[in-house]
Amino acid sequence: EDQVTQSPEALRLQEGESSSLNCSYTVSGLRGLFWYRQDPGKGPEFLFTLYSAGEEKEKERLKATLTKKESFLHITAPKPEDSATYLCAVQDSLYNFNKFYFGSGTKLNVKP
Amino acid sequence: EAQVTQNPRYLITVTGKKLTVTCSQNMNHEYMSWYRQDPGLGLRQIYYSMNVEVTDKGDVPEGYKVSRKEKRNFPLILESPSPNQTSLYFCASSSIKAGSSYNEQFFGPGTRLTVL
Repeated sequence: EDQVTQSPEALRLQEGESSSLNCSYTVSGLRGLFWYRQDPGKGPEFLFTLYSAGEEKEKERLKATLTKKESFLHITAPKPEDSATYLCAVQDSLYNFNKFYFGSGTKLNVKP
Repeated sequence: EAQVTQNPRYLITVTGKKLTVTCSQNMNHEYMSWYRQDPGLGLRQIYYSMNVEVTDKGDVPEGYKVSRKEKRNFPLILESPSPNQTSLYFCASSSIKAGSSYNEQFFGPGTRLTVL
């Protein structure tokens, strides 16, 4: 069964304290891995898509990387406005490629 | 402005009273989907549609119906709501790349449903 697990569930950082969020997945084949940011009371907002192991994408203080079994979202020198819940989702490539599987998210709190 | 809209945003209803949550997108996307979000469980896919008149079940379809008669609209129907359908619901849409890959999903603002 396809599964997506995110860790940690919650992360508290001081402003400027870099860290990484993890998304591990078990799918029959990966067609795409997506990272989203979700603010309280709002719908998820797209950040990155990764398609193959070794791929990296960057946007401001965020960098996403992908291996064959997991993805990391690295946050460099975070600011309070980076506080949000970060979600990852995978698209299977073999049996259910029209379905998406989401992790339960990492809630990030950046203190000034 | 490119967007996905949902209505209503908040709804309190009683067990068994049929309801419809509407979803509309203005980006001409082929793919549309409904999710429910519950604490600790993340987003779970209810139904999805690859195009007009083409729909299929996600992981938690029981108690829900959908239809896709127009490309822009994808309503979610609860024929006989029950308290375990109390949740936060999101509609999303996406365009399809070559090779059955998808571009990113655009999400609506959410509908918070309470079934008493």
